[in-house]
Amino acid sequence: VQLLESGGDLVQPGGSLRLSCVVSGFSFSSYSMIWVRQAPGKGLEWVSDIKSDDGRTSYADSVKGRFTISRDNSKNTLYLQMSTLRAEDTAVYYCARGYCSPNACYRYDYWGQGTLVTVSS
Amino acid sequence: DIVMTQSPLSLPVTPGEPASISCRSNQSLLHNNGHNYLDWYLQKAGQSPQLLIYLGSYRASGVPDRVSGSGSGTDFTLKISRVEAGDVGLYYCMQGLQTPPAFGPGTRLDIK
Repeated sequence: VQLLESGGDLVQPGGSLRLSCVVSGFSFSSYSMIWVRQAPGKGLEWVSDIKSDDGRTSYADSVKGRFTISRDNSKNTLYLQMSTLRAEDTAVYYCARGYCSPNACYRYDYWGQGTLVTVSS
Repeated sequence: DIVMTQSPLSLPVTPGEPASISCRSNQSLLHNNGHNYLDWYLQKAGQSPQLLIYLGSYRASGVPDRVSGSGSGTDFTLKISRVEAGDVGLYYCMQGLQTPPAFGPGTRLDIK
């Protein structure tokens, strides 16, 4: 099982970025997926998730209306489209696979290595 | 929203000695299916988080039986029976019962 994030970069406030998480070694379409971020020196913060069964999405209030999570099961890839970026979005972004039944989620057992997003002028 | 707290926030432990971390939520994490939607993760320095315990007490694959989780409702505990040098890192509890999922602030375990 592998999860590989990419797309992190230095971007100016107000800018946009798309993160990708390419997975292998398991049936991607069968799992719910999550994005979690960690600001420098801070704890873990849930950002967004997308369910495996019906593709329902959820967002943290801090990113709602600015970030969009999506998945392409044919490409085994999870995405996070980020727009109107702010300095406080600066963080390492991790993707992980999990289980949901159906609204309660748990057991995020495989994580990517993370990709760094820096929002600064 | 469900809020998670942990104590202590810093935990120095002598190798070979036990360690215990408490996690509390402001609402019950017990689902009507009988499971508590509480996970424990360890993040070692410079690494991604790794799953230790899920649904309150189920040990993840590869996790040694020195590590155990217990509790129900709003009070949960992670115990390490004999701490080793490789256990150093930040321990987080996380609730998945309700959206938004929430992590605790983390407990830093260090070796004395």
